[in-house]
Amino acid sequence: TQLLEQSPQFLSIQEGENLTVYCNSSSVFSSLQWYRQEPGEGPVLLVTVVTGGEVKKLKRLTFQFGDARKDSSLHITAAQPGDTGLYLCAGVWTGGFKTIFGAGTRLFVKA
Amino acid sequence: ETGVTQSPTHLIKTRGQQVTLRCSSQSGHNTVSWYQQALGQGPQFIFQYYREEENGRGNFPPRFSGLQFPNYSSELNVNALELDDSALYLCASSPLGQLIGYTFGSGTRLTVV
Repeated sequence: TQLLEQSPQFLSIQEGENLTVYCNSSSVFSSLQWYRQEPGEGPVLLVTVVTGGEVKKLKRLTFQFGDARKDSSLHITAAQPGDTGLYLCAGVWTGGFKTIFGAGTRLFVKA
Repeated sequence: ETGVTQSPTHLIKTRGQQVTLRCSSQSGHNTVSWYQQALGQGPQFIFQYYREEENGRGNFPPRFSGLQFPNYSSELNVNALELDDSALYLCASSPLGQLIGYTFGSGTRLTVV
């Protein structure tokens, strides 16, 4: 069974703080994606990382794929209330036709 | 370009009934996947369709079935509904496999009473 574990499950911080969310697995993935989901909506793709060690930046968000392609992190600099939401990591499993999701990290940024 | 459209947005069914959920994929996307998301959880993979054939399935019983049509739209059918089937059902499309990521619909909120 392929599992993706995200930590922390919940994070409440003040505006302007930095934070890091982690996504870990014992499985190797062909690619790993990060999504953000608002209440009552479907997840929205933020980034896809494919190469081990790859780092991608999206404004104040920095995404990294582990060298062994088993883990990833999302770092947010100077968080803003608009960053509030559920952050989901998703791995495309090398052995089959499916993408599995972690349980998510619920982020709340207070003004 | 149009995104992924799901219908209906909300649905209430009685235990034991059957339900059909519909999804129109994004233009140019030939792969459709369905996910079940319980409250407070991440999406759980149900199955995936490519060129009208199921080519991947998660840990869901056979009463969860699907179809993909030549225009790449898709249906999710659930028979003999159980209370635990209450969830947000998400449809996601992508071009030629999922390596670059999905475009999700807004989901159908199913409540089984």
